[in-house]
Amino acid sequence: KNEVEQSPQNLTAQEGEFITINCSYSVGISALHWLQQHPGGGIVSLFMLSSGKKKHGRLIATINIQEKHSSLHITASHPRDSAVYICAVEINNDMRFGAGTRLTVKP
Amino acid sequence: NAGVTQTPKFRVLKTGQSMTLLCAQDMNHEYMYWYRQDPGMGLRLIHYSVGEGTTAKGEVPDGYNVSRLKKQNFLLGLESAAPSQTSVYFCASRYGVLWTHNSPLHFGNGTRLTVT
Repeated sequence: KNEVEQSPQNLTAQEGEFITINCSYSVGISALHWLQQHPGGGIVSLFMLSSGKKKHGRLIATINIQEKHSSLHITASHPRDSAVYICAVEINNDMRFGAGTRLTVKP
Repeated sequence: NAGVTQTPKFRVLKTGQSMTLLCAQDMNHEYMYWYRQDPGMGLRLIHYSVGEGTTAKGEVPDGYNVSRLKKQNFLLGLESAAPSQTSVYFCASRYGVLWTHNSPLHFGNGTRLTVT
């Protein structure tokens, strides 16, 4: 069983919809990251969390350490949000990644 | 700032050939990582380095070697390529991993390697 599980694997939404992507992990961590992989393959860091909630523009990330769960929310989704969203957890110097959630936002 | 630069972007190798992938960062980052990404799987750590002159094995190190002779460069070598090493390789870097330090990962654009 993968240490980091993401759901859903694929998600299609209409422009303007509120999006939620979930990440569950099974080990103790020092931090959790949300990454975005563009269709061209480049990967950018969206958030790094160790507790609570962070917001950047239309993106919100939350983490519940006790429940070993994090969510990434996108408000007022737009076609340019179409990408693969990856959850990763830090375990000491190591990082374990989820398989990603492929989001498609249709106009 | 160039950020994290990987070379080459694409490469095709025959089984048994060798090659070196170069990762260069200009952000004075201490930590550098090499990952591979395969379809349907998450990124997997091959090797990493926590500073100049240091390297350590990750989750899938077999068949690869690395060197960090200069702080800004992290090299990944394949001594005898195998078809199982066909993958997309990503380099990443960050500042030191301190609990209170906001240190996101910075990724290169990837190298697509095909071994025939």
